[in-house]
Amino acid sequence: DGGITQSPKYLFRKEGQNVTLSCEQNLNHDAMYWYRQDPGQGLRLIYYSQIVNDFQKGDIAEGYSVSREKKESFPLTVTSAQKNPTAFYLCASSRGSGGGSAYGYTFGSGTRLTVV
Amino acid sequence: QKEVEQNSGPLSVPEGAIASLNCTYSDRVSQSFFWYRQYSGKSPELIMSIYSNGDKEDGRFTAQLNKASQYVSLLIRDSQPSDSATYLCAVNSVANKLVFGAGTILRVKS
Repeated sequence: DGGITQSPKYLFRKEGQNVTLSCEQNLNHDAMYWYRQDPGQGLRLIYYSQIVNDFQKGDIAEGYSVSREKKESFPLTVTSAQKNPTAFYLCASSRGSGGGSAYGYTFGSGTRLTVV
Repeated sequence: QKEVEQNSGPLSVPEGAIASLNCTYSDRVSQSFFWYRQYSGKSPELIMSIYSNGDKEDGRFTAQLNKASQYVSLLIRDSQPSDSATYLCAVNSVANKLVFGAGTILRVKS
């Protein structure tokens, strides 16, 4: 079955450590997105990519980095510069590069990151 | 002004009643509108999309869109306890990104 796989489901980060969240999709979608969700709040866009080898900053990109070397993969690195990384991280994808959002997004199951 | 606004709730309705969830948006050029359901601790799931003014029905769900008023709503008929979740409204914006509201918590009491 097609879908988006995020791993790990739970991740613990020590102070000053970089961690990478994995996102893989087999839907043949062009566009991929990373969102952060804090308790009781909506989704905030971190980074997005419309095509391979290209990505754009979202509303809260500081302290995060991404790469898009393959169509299927869009990993997110949470760097030590991100001062408050504890949150639920959601990866999403949509078909079509220019009109991707016309179809809505498909979400992965999420990664819950906690700073210890 | 937030781009997409929703009443945070919680909205409490008895089992079998109609639940009405509302959303307003600020970008007049938006063309695509979506409702997602998110259970606690889970990721959002797309339940309805609407692109034209008027009503769109799918089972117990009806989405309503009024572009002139910049308003979109979701009606859930015959509400069930399993409908208890947070409902997120999403609207497409520049660069074909979706902007999400903060969500409305729905509680259906049996």
